[in-house]
Amino acid sequence: DTGVSQNPRHKITKRGQNVTFRCDPISEHNRLYWYRQTLGQGPEFLTYFQNEAQLEKSRLLSDRFSAERPKGSFSTLEIQRTEQGDSAMYLCASTRGPDTQYFGPGTRLTVL
Amino acid sequence: QKEVEQDPGPLSVPEGAIVSLNCTYSNSAFQYFMWYRQYSRKGPELLMYTYSSGNKEDGRFTAQVDKSSKYISLFIRDSQPSDSATYLCAMSMGGSEKLVFGKGTKLTVNP
Repeated sequence: DTGVSQNPRHKITKRGQNVTFRCDPISEHNRLYWYRQTLGQGPEFLTYFQNEAQLEKSRLLSDRFSAERPKGSFSTLEIQRTEQGDSAMYLCASTRGPDTQYFGPGTRLTVL
Repeated sequence: QKEVEQDPGPLSVPEGAIVSLNCTYSNSAFQYFMWYRQYSRKGPELLMYTYSSGNKEDGRFTAQVDKSSKYISLFIRDSQPSDSATYLCAMSMGGSEKLVFGKGTKLTVNP
């Protein structure tokens, strides 16, 4: 049973550029979550999907952020017009039903 | 006041010590409680998961939940240098709901 995978692991970009991250959940996990973690803080919830439906979005998810989960499998998180404040670790987690969440290794974003 | 409070430490102990990590929370709707371990620049790894008050033991780890006091703890017995990591408490209102995390406590176990 492979775990949650995320790509890329690291991304360095210039302010104003768009970036896209991918998350592949554990197979048969129907719920997928995105979190953001900044240095010295715990992860903060961004959004989650049940299958292909996006059920909740945090107020942290500004209109520059968009997430999709086509066909209820992998998910992408896109950030448009990146800002230095977007620099963080972006974590993906998945779960099946009433179970706890298993996290991927994260994508570390640095905005110069 | 944040929903989940956790002392960020850092906490430094000698090898073999018993470690106690704690979180308090303000939202009585939280029903599920987890502890994650996170090594530097890695994703959080699930250690313990419980949904009832009382103790749950797994090897050297014991999770304790006191819903009446809104207080949870993680005890690590016979701590090892490999336990050096940041420990995050997390909780949710439902089994599949979003997690709310504490800040994490950075632990160093010295050989």
